[in-house]
Amino acid sequence: IAGITQAPTSQILAAGRRMTLRCTQDMRHNAMYWYRQDLGLGLRLIHYSNTAGTTGKGEVPDGYSVSRANTDDFPLTLASAVPSQTSVYFCASSREGGDADTQYFGPGTRLTVL
Amino acid sequence: GQNIDQPTEMTATEGAIVQINCTYQTSGFNGLFWYQQHAGEAPTFLSYNVLDGLEEKGRFSSFLSRSKGYSYLLLKELQMKDSASYLCAVFDSNYQLIWGAGTKLIIKP
Repeated sequence: IAGITQAPTSQILAAGRRMTLRCTQDMRHNAMYWYRQDLGLGLRLIHYSNTAGTTGKGEVPDGYSVSRANTDDFPLTLASAVPSQTSVYFCASSREGGDADTQYFGPGTRLTVL
Repeated sequence: GQNIDQPTEMTATEGAIVQINCTYQTSGFNGLFWYQQHAGEAPTFLSYNVLDGLEEKGRFSSFLSRSKGYSYLLLKELQMKDSASYLCAVFDSNYQLIWGAGTKLIIKP
């Protein structure tokens, strides 16, 4: 693989269910990010990680959790999905966090919560 | 609060030139990015400005004025494949990227 991969590509989920979105990068980037993109709004940061073993909250963290056990993987978990979490979710990475480095995006996961 | 403004939609003709404006009000400034996003795809990096002035990269150029909180993306010799959304984003004082809602550019033959 080259770059960032995300899985699944799309998912329809019943409200109240637990769901983990997967993200893997092979660029050895230290920093990784989760965004959600909703129609008419800019990308909004959910959580980020500047290095393996550390995570931080973004603008809209409620209802989501992340972990960063190693450099390559950064899964996003919805503990109990609600319809307002219907969105397109993008994972991104950059060489370093806390710096003005270019962020590179995965292909996205389209999630629908009914 | 932090705010980035860009037009919602613009239309231009194939072969022409179009300028997409972006104004920002953020807590601090550590650089401005332009990304291109085709429908149903991921954003892809176009340009980065941190100093005032014009950065040219082929058919695309990006301009920044920090004193005015203003940037524009200039696309020349428009092609049909340039139909996409163009996203403006600013690194604030905490190095978090603040994103505009994007400008949908429609190219007509």
